This record gives sequence, C-alpha cells and structure tokens, in this order.
Amino acid sequence: DAGVIQSPRHEVTEMGQEVTLRCKPISGHDYLFWYRQTMMRGLELLIYFNNNVPIDDSGMPEDRFSAKMPNASFSTLKIQPSEPRDSAVYFCASSYRPNTEAFFGQGTRLTVV
Amino acid sequence: GENVEQHPSTLSVQEGDSAVIKCTYSDSASNYFPWYKQELGKRPQLIIDIRSNVGEKKDQRIAVTLNKTAKHFSLHITETQPEDSAVYFCAASFYTNAGKSTFGDGTTLTVKP
Repeated sequence: DAGVIQSPRHEVTEMGQEVTLRCKPISGHDYLFWYRQTMMRGLELLIYFNNNVPIDDSGMPEDRFSAKMPNASFSTLKIQPSEPRDSAVYFCASSYRPNTEAFFGQGTRLTVV
Repeated sequence: GENVEQHPSTLSVQEGDSAVIKCTYSDSASNYFPWYKQELGKRPQLIIDIRSNVGEKKDQRIAVTLNKTAKHFSLHITETQPEDSAVYFCAASFYTNAGKSTFGDGTTLTVKP
C-alpha cells in the first residue's frame, strides 16, 4: 500500500475562495482523521470518521469547514469561504482499529492570501 | 475532554547524551500513549507506543515509561544522534472514544554533533 495519500500538497488561494482537500486512506483502515497543524495551536483534531460515518466533529472550527467521506477510500475537507487564518498544514490520517498507530499523509500546506 | 501537557518545548543535547521528554494527561480513562516524530517538512510518524497495562517499553535506543497513578509518561532517547533532531509529540487516547488522540504541543529536539 502506498500509505495515506493527500492532494494537493500545496494550495495557495485567495480569501473568500472555496478550498477542497482530498485524502485516500490506507485500504482496510476503518478510521480516518483530519488534523490541522499550526505553530500557535499545534496538532488539532478537526473531525474523524468510522466506517465512513462522521463520529466527532467537535474540533471543526466553524461552519465554513465541512468534511465528507462518501466511500471507504476517499474523504474531503472543504473550507468555504476561506480566510487567511485558515492557513496551516492539514493532515489526514487513518488507522485500522481504535488505539493503534495513526498513519499520516504527507499533508496539504494551505496558504490563504 | 482530555488535556495533554508536554515538557520541555525545546531541548538541546550533545550527540551521545540522553534526552527525556515528559507528558502528563488529565483523563484517567486514557489507556493508549503513542509518541510521534516529525522531521522538518515531513509527516508525523509513530516511533513507539505504550498501553496502560504496561509500565515500560523499549525499542533499541528509545524507551517509554508510564506512571498511571501520577498520569504521566516519558520518552527516553539514549545515545542521541544528529538524525534524532526533530519535533516529538506525545498523545493520549482511550478505546471507547475510538482512539481519538489528544496531542501534546511538541518538543523540538536538537542534537548537536
């Protein structure tokens, strides 16, 4: 398996635009997590899915953020409209079972200007 | 919710010396404690983990200890090498919450040759 795959690796967008980040988890992993990493706030869990169902979205900062997992091999994180304070590295991670290693993707570096 | 505190935030050691990073957690239900290493510009990757039924675990130059009573756990790196330079994150999670990990703020370790 190629590991968790995220796209794009880098995204630069203007304030107010819609941004969609994509993630393909490792095949067979039932849990998918979206994290945001910034210098100020560290690694924050935004939302996680179990068997494609959103379980906990308490970390999603605002209604501007939404996430979907239409099938076991694909998830999206959407920001609409984007703001400069959304600039961060967004990581997707997947795991096979609870309380096991989370495998992270390479991350998407988002810059909103 | 769970709160994880990590110390120190930065640590500089001479090559060959030992390094110790400490974390405390707040939720006594937490029972899984992974440590991740993140090199500059890369993804976090698991280096070692420990479960609450174990007090210590070793893997070559890396060891983790857990004190459930005091609710703290530590990462020990012996015979440090320049390639150990990275940011290290501790985390805590519990099974009934699908292993949703709460991360510490990270420790930047610099190993000087």
